[in-house]
Parts: sequence; structure tokens; C-alpha cells
Amino acid sequence: DAKTTQPPSMDCAEGRAANLPCNHSTISGNEYVYWYRQIHSQGPQYIIHGLKNNETNEMASLIITEDRKSSTLILPHATLRDTAVYYCIVRVAWETSGSRLTFGEGTQLTVNP
Amino acid sequence: DAGVIQSPRHEVTEMGQEVTLRCKPISGHNSLFWYRQTMMRGLELLIYFNNNVPIDDSGMPEDRFSAKMPNASFSTLKIQPSEPRDSAVYFCASSYSATNEKLFFGSGTQLSVL
Repeated sequence: DAKTTQPPSMDCAEGRAANLPCNHSTISGNEYVYWYRQIHSQGPQYIIHGLKNNETNEMASLIITEDRKSSTLILPHATLRDTAVYYCIVRVAWETSGSRLTFGEGTQLTVNP
Repeated sequence: DAGVIQSPRHEVTEMGQEVTLRCKPISGHNSLFWYRQTMMRGLELLIYFNNNVPIDDSGMPEDRFSAKMPNASFSTLKIQPSEPRDSAVYFCASSYSATNEKLFFGSGTQLSVL
């Protein structure tokens, strides 16, 4: 799996957009980008994933650059409850050998009032 | 659906004792995963099952750890004997299939081995 690089921490004001970057310069053509988050004392929570097109769901938007070497997770209107560690994971999907998501150190996002 | 249910929420035990952690996956999910989280090592995949069959246990740290899934609605992770270095938060997760990367995690079991 391709390695990902994320800033260790970020701050955001409540109500503003939170833009979390992820670098995955060694990503291959069949690898997807996944985002999970972990709120303190809870299990990780799936947010969104994509291959090359931008994706949006009720939680967030995922913007993947045209060369796919980096991506940005956007929380459009951050709330205090969005304070969490955000993990960017690159993984080949639909592998017959099964899922083996590898969580790195992630970005600690702190949303301030 | 109640989500993935783990028990107990907290476990405190003494070194050498047997510890059993329990997990009930989401109904209809065919894959189940056990993860361990520590400050030093982050989140590590220990083992995962597909259709109740263990597929990959390469993350299990040593023979003191064992996991079973006797049916589609129940799994256990056992540590015997337990050691202080096993202290961690243990998460169970499930997904529709082993190739589906959308995992649903339980709330975890905080294990402290004294």
C-alpha cells in the first residue's frame, strides 16, 4: 500500500471549513483513498473514500488532485464534535486477500469555539 | 441496528489471568476484525474473519492470543496468560465483506493488566 503523509495537528474555528490535506505521492492506479476519523474514546468511523473523482456525502467532501498524488478532506462547517484524529489511508480495494486497512498517525483536528 | 457491540467496556485484571473480550458484529456483515490500539503502536490489525473463518492472523502478537468466531453473530479474543504489555484498547469491527473497506467499529474494550 502507498504511504501517506498528514500534518500531525490542525486547528479550525467552529463554523468554518476544515481542510485536511493528505499526501500520497506513490499511489498506484488501483488504490483508493479512504478517510476515517476517531473521536476521543471511540472507535474509528468511516467518512468517505474515492478513486479519482471528487466525492461528497453527508459528512464531508473529498478532493483528489488530477495526478492523484494528494487529496483534501473538507468538512464544510466544522463543529466542536468534529474534533478528532483524522486518518488518510490508501488501499487497493476489492483485493481477494481481504481488507487490511493500515492506520497511520493521522491529523489531530481541534475545532475551537 | 445497534452497531458493533463489545463487552466488557473496561477490564482490569492481574498479570497471569485469562482475559476474554467479546464482540457482536452488525447483523448481515460477513467479515469481522480485531484491532488493538496503544499510544506507542497506534491501531494494529490483529486478526480478521470472513464468513466465520480466520483469514489472516499474522497480526496476533504471540501464542497467548487466540480468537474464535463460532457463528456469524459472535466472536471472542482471548489472552492467556495476560501480561502488563497487553494493556491497550481492543476494537472489534465488521464489514459486509472482506473486500469492503467500509468498516464499522465498536466502542472498544479498555484492558488494563496490572
